[in-house]
Amino acid sequence: KAGVTQTPRYLIKTRGQQVTLSCSPISGHRSVSWYQQTPGQGLQFLFEYFSETQRNKGNFPGRFSGRQFSNSRSEMNVSTLELGDSALYLCASTPAIGQRTEAFFGQGTRLTVV
Amino acid sequence: KQEVTQIPAALSVPEGENLVLNCSFTDSAIYNLQWFRQDPGKGLTSLLLIQSSQREQTSGRLNASLDKSSGRSTLYIAASQPGDSATYLCAVPEAGGGADGLTFGKGTHLIIQP
Repeated sequence: KAGVTQTPRYLIKTRGQQVTLSCSPISGHRSVSWYQQTPGQGLQFLFEYFSETQRNKGNFPGRFSGRQFSNSRSEMNVSTLELGDSALYLCASTPAIGQRTEAFFGQGTRLTVV
Repeated sequence: KQEVTQIPAALSVPEGENLVLNCSFTDSAIYNLQWFRQDPGKGLTSLLLIQSSQREQTSGRLNASLDKSSGRSTLYIAASQPGDSATYLCAVPEAGGGADGLTFGKGTHLIIQP
């Protein structure tokens, strides 16, 4: 059974540009969450999608957005990139929304903003 | 708001030793607690998930315990090996219900010396 797949693995972008990251959850999983990991802040929750709807969002500016497709694949978009957006972006999938299920993470996308 | 603390931040021990990693959380109203492993530059690998009704979970040389009332969890690693070197993270669902994502500790960076 394939795990969570994130593409691309690495990205280098210039300040002011926008970027789109992709996440394919484990087959059969319908909930996808996104996290940002930086050395200073650690892992921080961005947002969660279930049934193509954003269910909740962490404390991030509106430049961070996402969506989920009918096949549960999810994308996140960051517009007007800033140097501080450089981070490892991780997505996690769970079978359904809720707090009793084990979360499985992808390998992440390393975004570098120059 | 839930806060998760992991002690120690870093640990270096000789191969073969048994060791304990600690995780504490401020709000005991959790549904579960999950331990992860992260290798440098990689995603998170789920190690153990303990439901709030459980006291312990075991997987191979790993044993995780949970004491909800005191807001603590420990991860015990028996007979450590160099391949166990990684950062270990614990995470709990954000308190209050709903899809608020996971709150992570900053992790314990573990080095097993051959």
